[in-house]
Amino acid sequence: QLQMQESGPGLVRPSETLSLTCSVSGGSISGSSYYWGWIRQPPGKGLEWIGSIFHSGNTYYNPSLNSRVHISVDTSQNQFSLDLSAVTAADTALYSCARHSLQPGTYDIWGQGTMVTVSS
Amino acid sequence: DIQMTQSPSTLSASVGDRVTITCRASQSVSSWLAWYQQRPGKAPRLLIYKASSLESGVSLRFSGSGFGTDFTLTISSLQPDDFATYYCQQYKTYSTFGQGTKLEI
Repeated sequence: QLQMQESGPGLVRPSETLSLTCSVSGGSISGSSYYWGWIRQPPGKGLEWIGSIFHSGNTYYNPSLNSRVHISVDTSQNQFSLDLSAVTAADTALYSCARHSLQPGTYDIWGQGTMVTVSS
Repeated sequence: DIQMTQSPSTLSASVGDRVTITCRASQSVSSWLAWYQQRPGKAPRLLIYKASSLESGVSLRFSGSGFGTDFTLTISSLQPDDFATYYCQQYKTYSTFGQGTKLEI
């Protein structure tokens, strides 16, 4: 059964870059036709799609975050990563990785999420 | 951007009730609409895709309908595990979610 697990710092200082990795187990990123995405949820608020990547390296970003987001994939490690630059307190959220079969599409498998707080 | 608006924000109901949650898109999304359930501290769970298709393993008590800009999620005969927050998602253009509907006892 495919599982996804986020990892990265829980605290990031304002203006710095938030970097997270999603490790995939129980299935191969490169051996599938799925897309791999990042979604965040600020405390007490709704869900926001950040961006997604295909194993070929094709990326798709939320236009509202496009200038600050970079997603990459490492098929040898079966993981993909998120970099969000110039963070502010508004970027404080639970960050989750998820799998989807279309771009855009629905998310059928999710990681548990990792909480990132932006604070000095 | 396509904006998604859910109503109500909070819904109070009892075990055994039938409830309906509404989601409205700011422009047509055709049938590219999904519904998710999120329990506290858990990841969202896909319930419905393509507006009315039931995800594998999801109870038949859940049903979705709608097309274009107006959609509904109906839960028949509420069970204790159904009390959670529900989100709609459009995936016609990029991906945006509604603000959520908290279903409480």
